[in-house]
Amino acid sequence: KAGVTQTPRYLIKTRGQQVTLSCSPISGHRSVSWYQQTPGQGLQFLFEYFSETQRNKGNFPGRFSGRQFSNSRSEMNVSTLELGDSALYLCASRLTVVDPGELFFGEGSRLTVL
Amino acid sequence: SQQGEEDPQALSIQEGENATMNCSYKTSINNLQWYRQNSGRGLVHLILIRSNEREKHSGRLRVTLDTSKKSSSLLITASRAADTASYFCATESGGSYIPTFGRGTSLIVHP
Repeated sequence: KAGVTQTPRYLIKTRGQQVTLSCSPISGHRSVSWYQQTPGQGLQFLFEYFSETQRNKGNFPGRFSGRQFSNSRSEMNVSTLELGDSALYLCASRLTVVDPGELFFGEGSRLTVL
Repeated sequence: SQQGEEDPQALSIQEGENATMNCSYKTSINNLQWYRQNSGRGLVHLILIRSNEREKHSGRLRVTLDTSKKSSSLLITASRAADTASYFCATESGGSYIPTFGRGTSLIVHP
C-alpha cells in the first residue's frame, strides 16, 4: 500500500512569489491535513479537508489556502511568500475524522523563501 | 499554540539504556498520541492512548497517561542507535479530533 506522497520535496522561492504543494493520501483515506513545521514554532496545524470540504482551519493568514479534489488528493497554496514561510510543510492523511486515529504523514515539502 | 509540551527538550543516552520522555498538557483530552520523526522526514505514529486508559505497550515502548496530572510519559526500553529521532506528543480534545503537537524531545542514542 503506497504511503502519503508529497511533491515537490524541495523548492526555493523568492519573496512575493506564490507556491503550490501537492499531497496524495493513502488510498481510501478521505481526510487530509496540512501542518507547518519550523524550528521556532514547531508543528502548527494549517487546515484539514474531508470529502472536498475544509473541516478545520488553524490560525494562519488568508495567504494560506488549500483544496481537496474528488480523488482525495489535496493541494495547498501560499501566496505572496514571506521569509517566515520557510518551513517543512507536512501533509497527513487518515481514514476518517469521526473516530480518532493515527495520522499518516508524508515526507514533507521543504520550502525555502529567499 | 501547542497543547502538549515535551520534557526534556533533548536527551542523550547510551545504547541499551532506557529513555523516558514526558508530555504535559493544559486542557482535558480525548486521547494522546506519540510520534517519532527522523531528521527532516515525516512523522511516524507510535502509539495512541485514550483518556480512559492508563497504560499501553507496543514492543519496547510503554506509554502512561495520568489525566489527573495532565501528563503522559513515553518509555523506550533498551534503546538502540536507530531510536535516535525527535519524539512528539499530540493531544486531541473537544470535538474537532485535530491533533495538536508539542515541540518534541530530541533523543540521541550513542552506539
